Amino acid sequence: AQRVTQPEKLLSVFKGAPVELKCNYSYSGSPELFWYVQYSRQRLQLLLRHISRESIKGFTADLNKGETSFHLKKPFAQEEDSAMYYCALGYNFNKFYFGSGTKLNVKP
Amino acid sequence: DVKVTQSSRYLVKRTGEKVFLECVQDMDHENMFWYRQDPGLGLRLIYFSYDVKMKEKGDIPEGYSVSREKKERFSLILESASTNQTSMYLCASSLPSGRSGELFFGEGSRLTVL
Repeated sequence: AQRVTQPEKLLSVFKGAPVELKCNYSYSGSPELFWYVQYSRQRLQLLLRHISRESIKGFTADLNKGETSFHLKKPFAQEEDSAMYYCALGYNFNKFYFGSGTKLNVKP
Repeated sequence: DVKVTQSSRYLVKRTGEKVFLECVQDMDHENMFWYRQDPGLGLRLIYFSYDVKMKEKGDIPEGYSVSREKKERFSLILESASTNQTSMYLCASSLPSGRSGELFFGEGSRLTVL
């Protein structure tokens, strides 16, 4: 069965510090991994997907099939990065399994 | 921009009431989803629809049903609301694709069952 694990419920860092939000997955097929973000009072939206291999708002995520991980990283956190982050696994072309989420708090 | 609109942002219902949550999308997406979002549990899929009148159970369908009579509209129905259904409900839509596509979410409907 497919699973997504985000071990940290809350992550607090100071502005300018590096941040890494962890995501591990379990899936027997070829995984498609995503990061979604929900800022305060806004709707959930796509941040980035592994297939794009791009950097969005300074965030990157690399799919590591050996470690079954898709950690989200940013070298210098900003206060506006404070939000709820969800890792998601796409499977069977049209379905998605979400992790439990990590709340990132960037302190001034 | 894709717009997914959920008709009710906040609802308060009593145990045993029938509850309708409506969702409309304006981008002609084939796929529509209902999730519930609970702290510490993330998003859990209730039902999924890949075409008009087509539906598929998600991970937690018990106590819920859905209706998709038109492509743009996907309704979630709680036949007899219970207190454990107090939650935030998120509707989403996506295009079908050879690979999993981006989900576009509504703003959510916060349901409180007393």
